[in-house]
Amino acid sequence: ETGVTQSPTHLIKTRGQQVTLRCSSQSGHNTVSWYQQALGQGPQFIFQYYREEENGRGNFPPRFSGLQFPNYSSELNVNALELDDSALYLCASSSRAGQETQYFGPGTRLLVL
Amino acid sequence: EDQVTQSPEALRLQEGESSSLNCSYTVSGLRGLFWYRQDPGKGPEFLFTLYSAGEEKEKERLKATLTKKESFLHITAPKPEDSATYLCAVQRTVDSNYQLIWGAGTKLIIKP
Repeated sequence: ETGVTQSPTHLIKTRGQQVTLRCSSQSGHNTVSWYQQALGQGPQFIFQYYREEENGRGNFPPRFSGLQFPNYSSELNVNALELDDSALYLCASSSRAGQETQYFGPGTRLLVL
Repeated sequence: EDQVTQSPEALRLQEGESSSLNCSYTVSGLRGLFWYRQDPGKGPEFLFTLYSAGEEKEKERLKATLTKKESFLHITAPKPEDSATYLCAVQRTVDSNYQLIWGAGTKLIIKP
């Protein structure tokens, strides 16, 4: 069974640029959630995708957007990067059956200069 | 406002010295409480889910318990490899998408 994978592992961008992060869900999972984790903090929910539709969004501006593809993989796009966007971006996958346990990938470390 | 608070922020123990980590929560309706372990620079690793007050779950040296206001993660005779940040998160009944609301974590250091 393949776990959740994310790419790239690390990324350095400058303020104002755009970035795309990618996530492949665990086998058998059709739901992907994205979280932002600043250093020393707990993760913050960005949004979730289920059946290629956004299914809930946290307190993040519209410049954070996403996609889910038919194979349940997902992308997180961030436009007009700000210094405060520097964080670990986590992707979690889960199934819709019963109680939802979310399984996380290794994360993408984004540094905005 | 719904929130999750973990204490202490950091805990240093000698190998073999048992202790407990606390997660207190204030939510309008609890669907489930989750414990994860996170190593530096990596994603959280699932440990336990607890659904109702009085429930307990165990895994190796770890035991999680739940009351109506808080959860404890008890660690018995810890080893250096148990060093990590332990995160607590809750799911609310109002959230149909099962999103997680997280505490800031407890950084656990086990000295040999």
